[in-house]
Amino acid sequence: DSGVTQTPKHLITATGQRVTLRCSPRSGDLSVYWYQQSLDQGLQFLIQYYNGEERAKGNILERFSAQQFPDLHSELNLSSLELGDSALYFCASSAPGTPETQYFGPGTRLLVL
Amino acid sequence: AQSVTQLGSHVSVSEGALVLLRCNYSSSVPPYLFWYVQYPNQGLQLLLKYTSAATLVKGINGFEAEFKKSETSFHLTKPSAHMRDAAEYFCAVSEYNQGGKLIFGQGTELSVKP
Repeated sequence: DSGVTQTPKHLITATGQRVTLRCSPRSGDLSVYWYQQSLDQGLQFLIQYYNGEERAKGNILERFSAQQFPDLHSELNLSSLELGDSALYFCASSAPGTPETQYFGPGTRLLVL
Repeated sequence: AQSVTQLGSHVSVSEGALVLLRCNYSSSVPPYLFWYVQYPNQGLQLLLKYTSAATLVKGINGFEAEFKKSETSFHLTKPSAHMRDAAEYFCAVSEYNQGGKLIFGQGTELSVKP
């Protein structure tokens, strides 16, 4: 158990819908990272937040957005969902001063029908 | 731009045999390098990391990896495979001045035969 929690574990929805994935980092960690794992694209970095502020952006679609709240939990919002958005979404966190060492949550498996 | 190439999407070994999973990286600055393992239906677990200290890095579960700058490689090895090592393994790179963003290879699925 990494100490990073993600909810829900599984999500099934339809095309065009909007979903919110939630992540709670390890106690004391200020950074949260979101990654997408799909069969065709592999594991891709989406976005990073540090203490409530966006720090880095990867290949995140405009239909996707994220935020980190004052209690440091983070949410990834996916809207206008398409079949191709079906994937495993991971959240990771890291401690201040060691951004390279990331601890991953169990992931949320999203299926868009 | 950084990139990671894992040679071989599937590797199969017999129990007790040497495990060798290959990883080559591309980075314009000294990188941080990582190996993660993903068991079925689970998240990613850090096996080991290289952050510019000793070039031979020992990790959990008996795995180790050697950073070879001249070959831009960071291959993962384990002297004797166990059935429980069957999983998917990911090599990743991060530039120290890039805030920790990880760039992953495509993964290598390791099968262990009895």
